[in-house]
Amino acid sequence: GENVEQHPSTLSVQEGDSAVIKCTYSDSASNYFPWYKQELGKRPQLIIDIRSNVGEKKDQRIAVTLNKTAKHFSLHITETQPEDSAVYFCAASLWPGGGADGLTFGKGTHLIIQP
Amino acid sequence: KAGVTQTPRYLIKTRGQQVTLSCSPISGHRSVSWYQQTPGQGLQFLFEYFSETQRNKGNFPGRFSGRQFSNSRSEMNVSTLELGDSALYLCASSHSRVEQDTQYFGPGTRLTVL
Repeated sequence: GENVEQHPSTLSVQEGDSAVIKCTYSDSASNYFPWYKQELGKRPQLIIDIRSNVGEKKDQRIAVTLNKTAKHFSLHITETQPEDSAVYFCAASLWPGGGADGLTFGKGTHLIIQP
Repeated sequence: KAGVTQTPRYLIKTRGQQVTLSCSPISGHRSVSWYQQTPGQGLQFLFEYFSETQRNKGNFPGRFSGRQFSNSRSEMNVSTLELGDSALYLCASSHSRVEQDTQYFGPGTRLTVL
């Protein structure tokens, strides 16, 4: 089955700086790569996703890049703000609805925005 | 449109008991997936239901089971509870497994096994 590795496990950045979280996946058949943000005690919320036919996608301060050859994808957050503090999860699956193994998640990155 | 809802939000059980959790998907969504979230193992896929049929199953023992009703609401059951079953159980719904809609998560049920 799919295996997703996520780094770093904890990331501390100064407010206003950029943050980058990286994930690698093992199954070349995976086509869908979402990123979820989970605040303490809350549900995971989709913040951005990318499909395998696209190399990069941007939504305001958030961008995701995908390198299918190398089987890795990254989340970029620019001009970080205190409300960006949360745990971020990357995931991979065959298709948006999940696929045989559902969404396979990375272990998460605790992003801390220092004032 | 109302989001995914889960009941109950919190549960405390003792070892050996069984528990049933409920998930109501977003209106019109026919696929419901269940995940277990723990600090050690992270988010792990339990199973997925689509049109009342279990389509996929993760690597969990048979004590974990589920079902889906004709209105797409889903339940999961854990029998003979163990301490290690303490976790946040999340369900997620999507319109279809092959369309563009992604999975939207409910708030979860926090299960504590004593």
